[in-house]
Amino acid sequence: AQKITQTQPGMFVQEKEAVTLDCTYDTSDPSYGLFWYKQPSSGEMIFLIYQGSYDQQNATEGRYSLNFQKARKSANLVISASQLGDSAMYFCAMRGKSGGGADGLTFGKGTHLIIQP
Amino acid sequence: DTAVSQTPKYLVTQMGNDKSIKCEQNLGHDTMYWYKQDSKKFLKIMFSYNNKELIINETVPNRFSPKSPDKAHLNLHINSLELGDSAVYFCASSQGFLLKRVVELFFGEGSRLTVL
Repeated sequence: AQKITQTQPGMFVQEKEAVTLDCTYDTSDPSYGLFWYKQPSSGEMIFLIYQGSYDQQNATEGRYSLNFQKARKSANLVISASQLGDSAMYFCAMRGKSGGGADGLTFGKGTHLIIQP
Repeated sequence: DTAVSQTPKYLVTQMGNDKSIKCEQNLGHDTMYWYKQDSKKFLKIMFSYNNKELIINETVPNRFSPKSPDKAHLNLHINSLELGDSAVYFCASSQGFLLKRVVELFFGEGSRLTVL
């Protein structure tokens, strides 16, 4: 079974500061992917970034980067130079390869990030 | 063009009614999913389906049933609606695995169901 833990239910951050959202995971699957999604107040789920379990380098996508520490089973999302529009729920998720695609994503409970001006 | 589209976006209905939510994807993906997001924002998978296999989360009541007329559509039918069914339901799709990469899911905009 897979499990995702996000220990920060909510965070307040000043605009332009960097933000780290924590995520730890547990899985017995030797090959897996880790994902972060953003859900703004409008409700849609927006894919942000992906990290494969065998990737040698940490993933980066614009202002988003993923601090992947495999031995510690953590996959923290870092948002640099935060903006007011970054205020949203952020979900960490994972997907194992052994499920053949049918197992979808397992989500954490999310972190509600609020960027303050 | 919306990649994964759901209708209706909002649905208000009485307890005991039967309702359906439709989902269509134009991405050519081979697997589709239904997720339920509860009032605490927790997302839980309900079903996954491709043209070969339906996987049902064992915690989903049998009042919920997915129906797939073709590869691009996966509708969700709910019988005898209960108050606890009120939630946002998300449809999603993905294309298996690309070589070494575990691919992401693409989500619809969600359908907010309110049962009175």
